[in-house]
Amino acid sequence: DAGVIQSPRHEVTEMGQEVTLRCKPISGHDYLFWYRQTMMRGLELLIYFNNNVPIDDSGMPEDRFSAKMPNASFSTLKIQPSEPRDSAVYFCASSLALYGTEAFFGQGTRLTVV
Amino acid sequence: AQSVAQPEDQVNVAEGNPLTVKCTYSVSGNPYLFWYVQYPNRGLQFLLKYITGDNLVKGSYGFEAEFNKSQTSFHLKKPSALVSDSALYFCAVRDGGNDMRFGAGTRLTVKP
Repeated sequence: DAGVIQSPRHEVTEMGQEVTLRCKPISGHDYLFWYRQTMMRGLELLIYFNNNVPIDDSGMPEDRFSAKMPNASFSTLKIQPSEPRDSAVYFCASSLALYGTEAFFGQGTRLTVV
Repeated sequence: AQSVAQPEDQVNVAEGNPLTVKCTYSVSGNPYLFWYVQYPNRGLQFLLKYITGDNLVKGSYGFEAEFNKSQTSFHLKKPSALVSDSALYFCAVRDGGNDMRFGAGTRLTVKP
């Protein structure tokens, strides 16, 4: 298995533009997580899905952020409109549903909003 | 809600010396605890986990962690540090099969 695949690896966009980050989880995994990593706030859980259904989106910072999982193989995190403070590394991770199972992380998308 | 705390932002050790990276946890039920490592410009890599059983858990790259229920701790250890162990280390807790929460991270620097 190729692991969790995220695209793009790097994204530079202008303030006000829409940004879409993509994630392909490991096949067979039931859970998908989106995290944001910054120096100031560390690793924050934004939202997670179970069997394609959003379970907890309390970590999504604002209405400008939205996430979808249309099928078991694909998820998106969208920011519209983007702002400079959204600059961060965004990670996607997936795991099985078994208790105590570890999550596997993608390489991340480094987003820079100028 | 479950949480973990990593009290040290930075840990410095000399190569060949033992290392410890500290983590304490807070959960309402049984703790499922994890350690991850992050190298520059990379995603997080799983090192080891505690679910149940032996309090000393062995993981990748010679790392181990000791679960201590009375002190609610799950410290990461290695008997002899390598320069290549220098990285950012995260402790995490998972509530059953649900969400996974991470500590703030500890930057480990191993000096030759």
